[in-house]
Amino acid sequence: NAGVTQTPKFQVLKTGQSMTLQCAQDMNHNSMYWYRQDPGMGLRLIYYSASEGTTDKGEVPNGYNVSRLNKREFSLRLESAAPSQTSVYFCASSERRGARNSPLHFGNGTRLTVT
Amino acid sequence: AQSVTQLGSHVSVSEGALVLLRCNYSSSVPPYLFWYVQYPNQGLQLLLKYTSAATLVKGINGFEAEFKKSETSFHLTKPSAHMSDAAEYFCAAHYNNNDMRFGAGTRLTVKP
Repeated sequence: NAGVTQTPKFQVLKTGQSMTLQCAQDMNHNSMYWYRQDPGMGLRLIYYSASEGTTDKGEVPNGYNVSRLNKREFSLRLESAAPSQTSVYFCASSERRGARNSPLHFGNGTRLTVT
Repeated sequence: AQSVTQLGSHVSVSEGALVLLRCNYSSSVPPYLFWYVQYPNQGLQLLLKYTSAATLVKGINGFEAEFKKSETSFHLTKPSAHMSDAAEYFCAAHYNNNDMRFGAGTRLTVKP
């Protein structure tokens, strides 16, 4: 099984450019998440989708938008990239958001640099 | 605000020595607790999870963690470190409001 697949793996953007990070999972999970990882700050939740057709803001949503295209796919869009968005982005999925004992399954990340 | 604190951003041990990575959570109601491991250029992988069934939880690769409610702690241990254990370790807590919070991470270095 592929698990959670993210594309691209690396991206360099200039300030003001836009891009979409893609994520797909093949585990039939209901919930999907986007996190950013910055040194010394752990992972911070950007947006999540508890189920197909719903999305909600996490801890740090400003500057981002998301789309839950179907049960498998959850994309993250940066409309106008800023240097503060330089980070490693992780997509994750879980069986069900309300199940507190359900662990997250992570993709391998997208390393984004905004110059 | 609910949070997870990992004491020590870097821990260095010799091969064969005890590994102890510390994690404390903030809540009067114990959350569900997890330890994840991240190898370079990879995503996070589940190491173990606490779900209230037992206070001592065994995970993969010889790691285990003990839940102590009185200390609001969930420290990760391994009796004997291997070179392959070098990685970054994250403690996470799933609170009642369906929010998964991560600690800042502890980078483990294993010296030969």
